[in-house]
Amino acid sequence: NAGVTQTPKFRVLKTGQSMTLLCAQDMNHEYMYWYRQDPGMGLRLIHYSVGEGTTAKGEVPDGYNVSRLKKQNFLLGLESAAPSQTSVYFCASNDSPGHREKLFFGSGTQLSVL
Amino acid sequence: AQSVTQLDSHVSVSEGTPVLLRCNYSSSYSPSLFWYVQHPNKGLQLLLKYTSAATLVKGINGFEAEFKKSETSFHLTKPSAHMSDAAEYFCVVSEAGGGNKLTFGTGTQLKVEL
Repeated sequence: NAGVTQTPKFRVLKTGQSMTLLCAQDMNHEYMYWYRQDPGMGLRLIHYSVGEGTTAKGEVPDGYNVSRLKKQNFLLGLESAAPSQTSVYFCASNDSPGHREKLFFGSGTQLSVL
Repeated sequence: AQSVTQLDSHVSVSEGTPVLLRCNYSSSYSPSLFWYVQHPNKGLQLLLKYTSAATLVKGINGFEAEFKKSETSFHLTKPSAHMSDAAEYFCVVSEAGGGNKLTFGTGTQLKVEL
């Protein structure tokens, strides 16, 4: 019953460093999403994927890259971290287009960029 | 374009009293509407969803919401609050023509006091 698993749970970076956040789901879902959550702003979509080997830009994609080499994994990369990327990052997945079906969320990654 | 407004950033109730969390939406097409709940340090979990079937939607843990097109509202209610209901609640809207785009509200923090 793992569902959606995110690693790491916490990370502190210095400005300019790079890192990759990993999202893994064991529900055989086609669709996967990366969101960021900032105080007073709700969740905003960074990138998403509609299937293995595909990715697409969301609402706030700048400064991030993603890859979906395997159906169960969706990676979010920060090539050169900036303080504006301090946030809580959530991965989500579902088995049909996001506008009608429930999303299954991971427990989040808290990232601080100093 | 779609948008969602959660009218209260914080709501405080006493245990055993009714809960009302207010949400207004704007949509150019037939919307789908959702309420998600986020407990501390957890991912979001779907409470209920409206997708053009019955206007009164029942969800988990005794919550329900009524879709009122004339008022463009989708308020969340519960007859009797429990301490375990303390969490942050997000109203979410999606349009039929909006692809994978979900728009999240800014959240309402519910506090339940003894």
